[in-house]
Amino acid sequence: IAGITQAPTSQILAAGRRMTLRCTQDMRHNAMYWYRQDLGLGLRLIHYSNTAGTTGKGEVPDGYSVSRANTDDFPLTLASAVPSQTSVYFCASSRDRGTSPLHFGNGTRLTVT
Amino acid sequence: RKEVEQDPGPFNVPEGATVAFNCTYSNSASQSFFWYRQDCRKEPKLLMSVYSSGNEDGRFTAQLNRASQYISLLIRDSKLSDSATYLCVVTGFQKLVFGTGTRLLVSP
Repeated sequence: IAGITQAPTSQILAAGRRMTLRCTQDMRHNAMYWYRQDLGLGLRLIHYSNTAGTTGKGEVPDGYSVSRANTDDFPLTLASAVPSQTSVYFCASSRDRGTSPLHFGNGTRLTVT
Repeated sequence: RKEVEQDPGPFNVPEGATVAFNCTYSNSASQSFFWYRQDCRKEPKLLMSVYSSGNEDGRFTAQLNRASQYISLLIRDSKLSDSATYLCVVTGFQKLVFGTGTRLLVSP
C-alpha cells in the first residue's frame, strides 16, 4: 500500500544521545516535511525538502538536521537530544510544496529523559 | 495576528446535529485550502480540499470566502465517529500553514 512509513513508532531516549527518525515514502512525491506536535501548540514545521538534494529550515529547526539523498527518504536527526525535544514527530510528503495536500506518516513518539 | 486562526472549541453537539467551523487566514494571496481530521494521538488525515465554488463530500461541505478570508466546514447529521480535531490548512508561495485545530465532541 502506497504511503509514508516512519520508524520507530516510539522511543525513549536519554538526554545527550543522538537519534535518527526514519521516514520513507513510495508515492514519488517531490516535497517532504518534518513536523513536531505538542499539546496546545499544534503542528510546527521543523525542516522541509522541496525535492531530492535540497532542504530548508522551518519554524523550529534548532537541534535538528535533515538530509534528502533521494526522493523516498527524509531522515531527521537529533544530534544531542534534550528534554524539550520530547514530542510527537510526523513526517509528511506532498506532490509539490505549497499547493498540494500533505500525506502524513503514523508518527514517532519520542521521550527524552 | 496569526496567519491561520481557528476556534479551539470544544464544540459539544448531540448526534444528528449540524455543526460548522470557520478558519480565518491573513494572507489574501493564499492559493489552496484544505481541511484535515486528526484523531487523538494519530496523524492528521486529509478530509477534503476546499474549492472556490464550494464542494461537498457526503455529509461534509467546505466553502471558501476570499473576500472575508475564511474557509468553513459544515458537518451534517453528526456521528459519534466525527469526534476529532479538525485542522484547516492554507497554502501559497511554497508555504503551508496549519491552524491549531477545532475539537469536536459528538455525544449520544
